[in-house]
Amino acid sequence: QQQVKQSPQSLIVQKGGISIINCAYENTAFDYFPWYQQFPGKGPALLIAIRPDVSEKKEGRFTISFNKSAKQFSLHIMDSQPGDSATYFCAASGAGSSYKLIFGSGTRLLVRP
Amino acid sequence: SAVISQKPSRDICQRGTSLTIQCQVDSQVTMMFWYRQQPGQSLTLIATANQGSEATYESGFVIDKFPISRPNLTFSTLTVSNMSPEDSSIYLCSVEALGQGNTEAFFGQGTRLTVV
Repeated sequence: QQQVKQSPQSLIVQKGGISIINCAYENTAFDYFPWYQQFPGKGPALLIAIRPDVSEKKEGRFTISFNKSAKQFSLHIMDSQPGDSATYFCAASGAGSSYKLIFGSGTRLLVRP
Repeated sequence: SAVISQKPSRDICQRGTSLTIQCQVDSQVTMMFWYRQQPGQSLTLIATANQGSEATYESGFVIDKFPISRPNLTFSTLTVSNMSPEDSSIYLCSVEALGQGNTEAFFGQGTRLTVV
């Protein structure tokens, strides 16, 4: 019940295309859903996050779509750039556990020039 | 935001030995977290460390193997004891701090441990 399932495992997108990464969770007590971006040799960095009171959040080229009834959320990267090539992790926390994050398995994104 | 420094950034250790990883934060924080990221894998929480109390370990992690210290509000250490090749991973320190208008989790750059 604590799992966060992420897909796809890897993704190749042409420059200018849309990258879409999906996550699903089981624990309905989760109330915080962040996405992290990780470059090789670096720690994860927060990209964008959403709480269940909204269905969508947009920051620049990055959008989170959240479907509470389906217990799913997704990251959309518009106009993908080669600099976006990184590993992306979805995560979830809540249920009284503060920022003890449960991470998805990660998606390795490659944006071709 | 919070800037986290971890030392060492990487190390190669002999099996059976122990390594202590240091985590220094540039501001006082209540909670610090230690994660493990096995090669090409996701992050798994090892334990939560609050200043002045014993660390809380997640299922599958025990204090004898991963002792943690939290002597003050800006510093913590994680020791990987009696290492085996299966302990080869990246170990990450994390804190929760005020980000861009909201509290968020910040991560150090990680300590890449190889056990031979």
